Amino acid sequence: DTGVSQDPRHKITKRGQNVTFRCDPISEHNRLYWYRQTLGQGPEFLTYFQNEAQLEKSRLLSDRFSAERPKGSFSTLEIQRTEQGDSAMYLCASSLDRGSYEQYFGPGTRLTVT
Amino acid sequence: AQSVTQPDIHITVSEGASLELRCNYSYGATPYLFWYVQSPGQGLQLLLKYFSGDTLVQGIKGFEAEFKRSQSSFNLRKPSVHWSDAAEYFCAVGALAGGTSYGKLTFGQGTILTVHP
Repeated sequence: DTGVSQDPRHKITKRGQNVTFRCDPISEHNRLYWYRQTLGQGPEFLTYFQNEAQLEKSRLLSDRFSAERPKGSFSTLEIQRTEQGDSAMYLCASSLDRGSYEQYFGPGTRLTVT
Repeated sequence: AQSVTQPDIHITVSEGASLELRCNYSYGATPYLFWYVQSPGQGLQLLLKYFSGDTLVQGIKGFEAEFKRSQSSFNLRKPSVHWSDAAEYFCAVGALAGGTSYGKLTFGQGTILTVHP
């Protein structure tokens, strides 16, 4: 198993453009999480899925953000009409839905909005 | 709402010295706790976890942490620091209800560790 993977690793976009990030979790993990991390801060929870179902969304997740996990495997996070304040590292994690629920993180996608 | 406080933003130690990173949490439900380490530009690596049972937990890379419910603390320790331990360390708390996780983790602000030779 190669762990959690994210694509792309870096994305530079102009304000107002749409961007989409992909996350591939550890294969047997049925929970998948998205977090956002800005410079000097810890990760902040955005949303999570159990299989295909999106179980919780943070108030940080404005209407411009949407996440999907259509087949309960990989997930995508889309940001529409990007703003400079969206510049951050977007982290994906996965876990089992039992045991100690430890979350394993991917390398992140660093988004820069110019 | 749950919260995590890491009082020390930056700690500097000499190689070979002992280390303790502080973490205090606030949560009304039953917590479970983690320490993660992050190198620059990288994702987070799990060091150790407390879920239940023995309050002194061992992790990777020689780290350990002790859960003290009365103090709402989960401090990370290492007896002898190596230069490769220089990184940023995050404490995180999750919540359980009826033995099932709510899912999300709440992270502290992080502590940057610098190691002098």
